[in-house]
Amino acid sequence: TQLLEQSPQFLSIQEGENLTVYCNSSSVFSSLQWYRQEPGEGPVLLVTVVTGGEVKKLKRLTFQFGDARKDSSLHITAAQPGDTGLYLCAGGLAGKSTFGDGTTLTVKP
Amino acid sequence: KAGVTQTPRYLIKTRGQQVTLSCSPISGHRSVSWYQQTPGQGLQFLFEYFSETQRNKGNFPGRFSGRQFSNSRSEMNVSTLELGDSALYLCASSYLQGNTEAFFGQGTRLTVV
Repeated sequence: TQLLEQSPQFLSIQEGENLTVYCNSSSVFSSLQWYRQEPGEGPVLLVTVVTGGEVKKLKRLTFQFGDARKDSSLHITAAQPGDTGLYLCAGGLAGKSTFGDGTTLTVKP
Repeated sequence: KAGVTQTPRYLIKTRGQQVTLSCSPISGHRSVSWYQQTPGQGLQFLFEYFSETQRNKGNFPGRFSGRQFSNSRSEMNVSTLELGDSALYLCASSYLQGNTEAFFGQGTRLTVV
């Protein structure tokens, strides 16, 4: 059973479009992280959300933590080819890190 | 400051052999975690070391082991390699134990033939 479910699994869009990807769980997390990973590289930390209902913005990326701290979303406005990559959410449970399977995003020029 | 360094970047081994991977964390970070990433299973937690002690372990067989040195550098060893061990092995460092806010290395791509 996957503790963190991410959707959609794959997303292919045109440059300039908006998109939202989701990270859901039945467990409550004290914090969630979002990472972006490019092929052949390690994941790069984008943001940490801690408080239920929290919204954080990073340029064209908006991250939200659910009120119950069980889910999170990532919204990208006016996507660019440089946003292409695997987006992973992660959280800690019982001292162990758990990652979702990720959303593979392709932004076509 | 320097990021997380993993060596080697690429490795090809034969079934039955053993392999040792190395990870140097960010200076000042005392936690090192190891992950296995495959297309089918995603990113799977192997174990975490903090102050030279293994603090947590994922659901991997005993063929996977690790250690951490006093300078926080860590090594991971896989013995009796199997084809299914082919994967990208990632190391992540953080300041606190059990912290999922971590910094990853570029990984070691292991291919078992």
